[in-house]
Amino acid sequence: ETGVTQTPRHLVMGMTNKKSLKCEQHLGHNAMYWYKQSAKKPLELMFVYSLEERVENNSVPSRFSPECPNSSHLFLHLHTLQPEDSALYLCASSQEEVRLGSTEAFFGQGTRLTVV
Amino acid sequence: AQSVTQLDSQVPVFEEAPVELRCNYSSSVSVYLFWYVQYPNQGLQLLLKYLSGSTLVKGINGFEAEFNKSQTSFHLRKPSVHISDTAEYFCAVSDRGGYNKLIFGAGTRLAVHP
Repeated sequence: ETGVTQTPRHLVMGMTNKKSLKCEQHLGHNAMYWYKQSAKKPLELMFVYSLEERVENNSVPSRFSPECPNSSHLFLHLHTLQPEDSALYLCASSQEEVRLGSTEAFFGQGTRLTVV
Repeated sequence: AQSVTQLDSQVPVFEEAPVELRCNYSSSVSVYLFWYVQYPNQGLQLLLKYLSGSTLVKGINGFEAEFNKSQTSFHLRKPSVHISDTAEYFCAVSDRGGYNKLIFGAGTRLAVHP
């Protein structure tokens, strides 16, 4: 496989469930991201990981817990979610270069999450 | 802080007609500029990007965009659209020299009619 792969593509969970979203990138990048895309709202950056360390957490509720075990994998652990958390969750990766920064992000196809 | 405004939430157009999707941004620092496209039930695909140099940027699928620093705009254009161009288009900015923390506009839905 190439690019950025997200699993599962669709997930329905109850408010008391615990589930995890998985993202894998095959591009050799050193930074990974979680974005949330809700209906009628702009895409929001949730978390940024660089070299497996979290470098940004945009005031995301603690019921979302990211994990980056290595530079190729990123997880988003979910627990006690609310119906308003239903959204498309997109993973992205990029290569961050000293002086240049990161010039392009590659996105996965997303996980469509429905909380019931 | 940066922000992005996409001036049109929906743009209907007939096949083979030209189209322009407008994007304005606000930033206190130098930025990179991007246009992404999202087809139904898909992730985001990069159409084109402006990093530096020539202000006219050509991308995939016949799209191009022009960076205008004085007007802080980055409008997307295509001279002749196809039915297959029907999708949601997102303009985004990110800091130069930082992680690719994209700030997105609200999106423009392009609907191409036969």
